[in-house]
Amino acid sequence: GAGVSQSPRYKVTKRGQDVALRCDPISGHVSLYWYRQALGQGPEFLTYFNYEAQQDKSGLPNDRFSAERPEGSISTLTIQRTEQRDSAMYRCASSLFFKSNRDTRSPGNTIYFGEGSWLTVV
Amino acid sequence: AQTVTQSQPEMSVQEAETVTLSCTYDTSESDYYLFWYKQPPSRQMILVIRQEAYKQQNATENRFSVNFQKAAKSFSLKISDSQLGDAAMYFCAYRRRMNYGGSQGNLIFGKGTKLSVKP
Repeated sequence: GAGVSQSPRYKVTKRGQDVALRCDPISGHVSLYWYRQALGQGPEFLTYFNYEAQQDKSGLPNDRFSAERPEGSISTLTIQRTEQRDSAMYRCASSLFFKSNRDTRSPGNTIYFGEGSWLTVV
Repeated sequence: AQTVTQSQPEMSVQEAETVTLSCTYDTSESDYYLFWYKQPPSRQMILVIRQEAYKQQNATENRFSVNFQKAAKSFSLKISDSQLGDAAMYFCAYRRRMNYGGSQGNLIFGKGTKLSVKP
């Protein structure tokens, strides 16, 4: 697509329910990132993928959070047994990825963000 | 671990005037990228400007420019001729350089500076 698309845009769920947030990255973008942003804070890194491989999941707060990108395109972030503290905006982002050594000095591979999914746990 | 610090939670500028937003960062790496993102009330994340650490020349994009001081690990954003549409949260972000082996770094953000523009 033309931009990073996320769904749902808004989700209200009851505490204890599982939620799945979807991200469709920019067409051709290999790298996909998940961030969480609380009100008044900067985005906080959760995890990222190159193709279908999860490269870094160090930002996932606990084992209730998981992410997958099985075919290297669309990704799903799943939160199990939601808690009120999980309420935040969840942002997906994507970027191109260069593997050639000639590209080590390429521009910083700008990361493009989606509009986010607002999650409220009541 | 890398950290990004924005010491000004809020700033205000008069329309048509110039304002500078501060950002400092901490890293042991010598090559990396720095970014400023704008987040208007719509909560979009819009790239304003980026800087490659290996470049000595400061990046410029129309009314936006940076003052990159590598030794001081400082990366400030200057907005000239401020407009009402510039009112937003501004986030400074750091990203390590890609390695040939194929890994990529995620963005590390500061806490943001809320900019108000007075007519």
